[in-house]
Amino acid sequence: AQSVAQPEDQVNVAEGNPLTVKCTYSVSGNPYLFWYVQYPNRGLQFLLKYITGDNLVKGSYGFEAEFNKSQTSFHLKKPSALVSDSALYFCAVRDPDRDDKIIFGKGTRLHILP
Amino acid sequence: NAGVTQTPKFQVLKTGQSMTLQCAQDMNHEYMSWYRQDPGMGLRLIHYSVGAGITDQGEVPNGYNVSRSTTEDFPLRLLSAAPSQTSVYFCASRLKRGWNTEAFFGQGTRLTVV
Repeated sequence: AQSVAQPEDQVNVAEGNPLTVKCTYSVSGNPYLFWYVQYPNRGLQFLLKYITGDNLVKGSYGFEAEFNKSQTSFHLKKPSALVSDSALYFCAVRDPDRDDKIIFGKGTRLHILP
Repeated sequence: NAGVTQTPKFQVLKTGQSMTLQCAQDMNHEYMSWYRQDPGMGLRLIHYSVGAGITDQGEVPNGYNVSRSTTEDFPLRLLSAAPSQTSVYFCASRLKRGWNTEAFFGQGTRLTVV
């Protein structure tokens, strides 16, 4: 079965610095990968998704993600963090060749320090 | 566009009571699912449906029932509420199986079982 891991419960970054939120995955076939963001007391909002062949994917709010097949990773990045980026971030994976469920990681809380 | 609508937003139940969490989407999405979110556990899949009349179990199905009589609606039933079911519940929908499409989430139902 597919799985996804977010190794950091929390990431602290100073405003203006680059940020990275890590994600690794395991699927039997070609992965469908996603990043979502959750602000307090809100539902999840879609940020970006992996598109086959694009190792660097651009998404909403200036975020991008780097896909690395050999390391089975899909790390979320942003060149310059904003305080408003502080939120809970989820990586998710779907294996369309199996049962097609979307499985989420446990989430990483991102704190941007002013 | 309404998107994915969940009702109620908040609910308090006594142990042993039953209730139904409602979920409706107006995007003609084939695929719908229910997740629960608990601190440190991320989102865990309860049940999902790939179309009207078809449902299947996710990671944590015990204590919950679902049905999918129409494309639009996917209610989640708690048969006999237990304190362990205190959680935030999210409904999600997306376009059909096999397509690289992102899920859209409702705003959540915060359930407390006392």
